[in-house]
Amino acid sequence: AQRVTQPEKLLSVFKGAPVELKCNYSYSGSPELFWYVQYSRQRLQLLLRHISRESIKGFTADLNKGETSFHLKKPFAQEEDSAMYYCALRRGNQGGKLIFGQGTELSVKP
Amino acid sequence: ETGVTQSPTHLIKTRGQQVTLRCSSQSGHNTVSWYQQALGQGPQFIFQYYREEENGRGNFPPRFSGLQFPNYSSELNVNALELDDSALYLCASSRDSYNEQFFGPGTRLTVL
Repeated sequence: AQRVTQPEKLLSVFKGAPVELKCNYSYSGSPELFWYVQYSRQRLQLLLRHISRESIKGFTADLNKGETSFHLKKPFAQEEDSAMYYCALRRGNQGGKLIFGQGTELSVKP
Repeated sequence: ETGVTQSPTHLIKTRGQQVTLRCSSQSGHNTVSWYQQALGQGPQFIFQYYREEENGRGNFPPRFSGLQFPNYSSELNVNALELDDSALYLCASSRDSYNEQFFGPGTRLTVL
């Protein structure tokens, strides 16, 4: 069965420190991987997807098929990055069904 | 462009009752997906509707059912409510089943 694992429920860093939110997945086919973010009192929104290979708000994520990982990274955390982050997987032939991890709460302290 | 809206915001039901949750998709979107998010968990896929037809279903019992209307709005119906159905129910719409999903604010359901 497909699964997404985010091992950290809470990650706390100081402003300016590097951030890495971990995401591992299990899927034998070709997955599409996403990071979603939910800021306080806002709705869930797409942050980035692996096929775009772009940097959004300074965040990047590289799909590592050998390690089945899709870790989210930012070199210098900002206080406004504090939010819930969810990693999600979509099977290549399954349209819209997203499989989410449990989420990691990122807290950036001043 | 109006975003995805859901109603009601909150509701409280008792075990055994039935509930209907509603979702209006974003303009230009023909696909609606429903997710259940229990406290402290990530969203879990319930089902998806594409142009009024069910287009995939997650691991939920048949008492979870849905509809999509010609204007692409959608309903989620849950019969014979159980305590474990207490959760935030999220709806997401997209241009089609392969495009970015835009989420609504959710409906918080409490089953007593």
